[in-house]
Parts: sequence; C-alpha cells; structure tokens
Amino acid sequence: GENVEQHPSTLSVQEGDSAVIKCTYSDSASNYFPWYKQELGKRPQLIIDIRSNVGEKKDQRIAVTLNKTAKHFSLHITETQPEDSAVYFCAASLYGSARQLTFGSGTQLTVLP
Amino acid sequence: DTAVSQTPKYLVTQMGNDKSIKCEQNLGHDTMYWYKQDSKKFLKIMFSYNNKELIINETVPNRFSPKSPDKAHLNLHINSLELGDSAVYFCASSQGMTGKNGYTFGSGTRLTVV
Repeated sequence: GENVEQHPSTLSVQEGDSAVIKCTYSDSASNYFPWYKQELGKRPQLIIDIRSNVGEKKDQRIAVTLNKTAKHFSLHITETQPEDSAVYFCAASLYGSARQLTFGSGTQLTVLP
Repeated sequence: DTAVSQTPKYLVTQMGNDKSIKCEQNLGHDTMYWYKQDSKKFLKIMFSYNNKELIINETVPNRFSPKSPDKAHLNLHINSLELGDSAVYFCASSQGMTGKNGYTFGSGTRLTVV
C-alpha cells in the first residue's frame, strides 16, 4: 500500500517569511496529492491539491510542487501570517480508484509575530 | 447548512461503557469515513464505507463497529470503552474514494474515557 512521509513535524517561522513542508510517497502510481489545514480545535479542510499531470499549482500565497520522478511534493506558503498557524497534512492517492487517501503525519506550523 | 455533522461534539464516559457517535452528510457523497486523531495529531483511518461496501482497517479493535443505515449516515458504536480510546474522532465524506473535491470532515467528537 501507499506510505506517505511528511517533514518537518514542527516548523516555526517569523511572520512574513516563507514556510515549506515536504512529503514523499512510495507508490509511483499515485497521482492525486491534496493538502489539508487543521486549525486548533477545528476540522481538517482541503486548501489545495495537485494532480500528477502538472508540476506546480498556485493559489494566492500557497503553492504546491510535485516531482514525480523523486516521488515527493511540497507545500509552499509565502508571506506567512499568524492565521497560517495550524497543522498541515499532505495526502496521496490514485485519483478515480477505489483507494482512499493516505495521510502524512502532519506538520505543526507556528507563525511568530 | 453544515455539510458533515457529527454528534456529540464532546463525550466523557467511564471505562467499560458503550457509546455511539453519529454522522450525517448532506453533500450527496457516496463514501464516508471514520478517522481517529490522537494527541500527536496523526489522522488514522478506521473505516471507509463506499456504496454499501465496508472497508475495515485491520488494526481497529472489533469493539468498534460502524453502522450505515443509508449513504448519508455512518455511525460509530464503541463497546467496552478503554482509556486508550480517548481521542478526537472525525467523520468525513467524499465522492469516490479519492474524492473529486477532496474529503469533507465533520467538526469532530472529542471522546474522553475516565
């Protein structure tokens, strides 16, 4: 089955700086990679996703990059703000298949004012 | 309208008791899940239910039993609660197992076993 590893487990950045969270996956067939944000005491929510037919996707201050050859993908947050503080989860799956998402172990991002 | 709602939000109970958590989704999704999130924040899949097919995570004790009366509901019943069952339990739903627009999570049920 799929195995997703996520690093780092905790990340602290100064407000305004960039943050990068990295994930690797094991199954080369995986082609769908969503990212979820979970604020303290709240539910995980989808913030951005990418499919393997593209190498990068942006949405305002967040972007995801995908390297299929190396089997890793990353979340980039620019100009971080205190409200970006949360736990971020990456996940991987084979889109359209009967295989459910496999989540990474999460990264606690803290943006220091 | 809440897309995925689960009740109760908080549940405090004694060891050995039996309890249930209810989940309902109004998104028309065909797949529902139960996740357990422990203190380390790891999201562990417990069950997924897709088109009446139940997929069980092998590591889940058989004290946990999901029940799905229809596609919009997936309840979780737990027998003989143990201290280690304390966690936040999230219900989620999606269209298809991978989710065309991702998974939609409920707000969670914080279970505390004392």
